[in-house]
Amino acid sequence: QQQVKQSPQSLIVQKGGISIINCAYENTAFDYFPWYQQFPGKGPALLIAIRPDVSEKKEGRFTISFNKSAKQFSLHIMDSQPGDSATYFCAAGPNTGNQFYFGTGTSLTVIP
Amino acid sequence: SAVISQKPSRDICQRGTSLTIQCQVDSQVTMMFWYRQQPGQSLTLIATANQGSEATYESGFVIDKFPISRPNLTFSTLTVSNMSPEDSSIYLCSAGGVDYEQYFGPGTRLTVT
Repeated sequence: QQQVKQSPQSLIVQKGGISIINCAYENTAFDYFPWYQQFPGKGPALLIAIRPDVSEKKEGRFTISFNKSAKQFSLHIMDSQPGDSATYFCAAGPNTGNQFYFGTGTSLTVIP
Repeated sequence: SAVISQKPSRDICQRGTSLTIQCQVDSQVTMMFWYRQQPGQSLTLIATANQGSEATYESGFVIDKFPISRPNLTFSTLTVSNMSPEDSSIYLCSAGGVDYEQYFGPGTRLTVT
């Protein structure tokens, strides 16, 4: 059973546009929601994370929106750049430790 | 943040042999984990490496196949035993602290022939 569902599987955005990736979870014990960025041949890098006590967190061009009642969260990349082209994974973890469940990933391509 | 290194970065191994992957963290961390990632796929947790005790394995992974050691708070090893082509994958080590943040190593790309 997939603990975290992620969509879309792939995304193509024009340079300067907004990239939006969505995730949904079922387990109400999850209370930490990170996003990771992975380039080919590299390990995932922590991009931004949120806890359910806030509905939004912004760091530079990256924003997480969180809807606790709907058990959904999303990543918005503003002013998308070709250098943002990578695979993005959402994840969710319970309040008992660092164990994460990862989404299936979204391959983002930003066209110049 | 923690900086994590893994050795080897890649290897090609023959069926039936074993490979030990090393993971080194530049600072003491509470939690260390091992993941497997098939090319183009998501990450699957193999086990949590516990310092001074046996690792905690996820469903579908067993100690005889993936023995793990964690002798201290900065180092862990994962062995892939009696390998078959189905074990070809990327193996990732990660480390986490008390604030839930988790950082990944660069991965070990394993090909079994």
